[in-house]
Amino acid sequence: NAGVTQTPKFRVLKTGQSMTLLCAQDMNHEYMYWYRQDPGMGLRLIHYSVGEGTTAKGEVPDGYNVSRLKKQNFLLGLESAAPSQTSVYFCASRATTDTQYFGPGTRLTVL
Amino acid sequence: AQSVTQLDSQVPVFEEAPVELRCNYSSSVSVYLFWYVQYPNQGLQLLLKYLSGSTLVKGINGFEAEFNKSQTSFHLRKPSVHISDTAEYFCAVSDARNNDMRFGAGTRLTVKP
Repeated sequence: NAGVTQTPKFRVLKTGQSMTLLCAQDMNHEYMYWYRQDPGMGLRLIHYSVGEGTTAKGEVPDGYNVSRLKKQNFLLGLESAAPSQTSVYFCASRATTDTQYFGPGTRLTVL
Repeated sequence: AQSVTQLDSQVPVFEEAPVELRCNYSSSVSVYLFWYVQYPNQGLQLLLKYLSGSTLVKGINGFEAEFNKSQTSFHLRKPSVHISDTAEYFCAVSDARNNDMRFGAGTRLTVKP
């Protein structure tokens, strides 16, 4: 039981490039979340999903897209990366109970 | 939407001293409250949570927190800290649906020998 995993762990992009971050969970959780963590700002919710095939916007959705084609996977896409998207990205999942379980994070740098 | 303010960005303490990390929240609806810990280069791990019931909540690693509705606070305490408690601590609040969780900016706890 690996819990929540994130791929890749590190990535460097040039401005304008695109990429997809993958989050996978093996706990059969319905809910999944993408956050970004920036110094002095805590974690901010980008998008979330309440089940397979559904997505919704969080606090800071601009510049990101997501998809939840399979229950265990939640993908975060950057179509045209900007330096302001340099951050550490965390995925989380939860069952119908309240506790969110977090992945180890992806450190993204946009030059 | 709800919001969280962590009143101290950094808290240095000596080993075996008590510590309190302060958290205030604002919300117009009933909330759930959480404390998470983040060790260097790792994800967040749940310390404790308040959903309802007793206002004193006990968590892992000897931490506890008290929900105070009148003061809209959820301060985290530990009577005697260890070097291994050095980490960043995040307070979080969510509404009853728990789909929109808001985090504070974090408090970096440094325990010195």
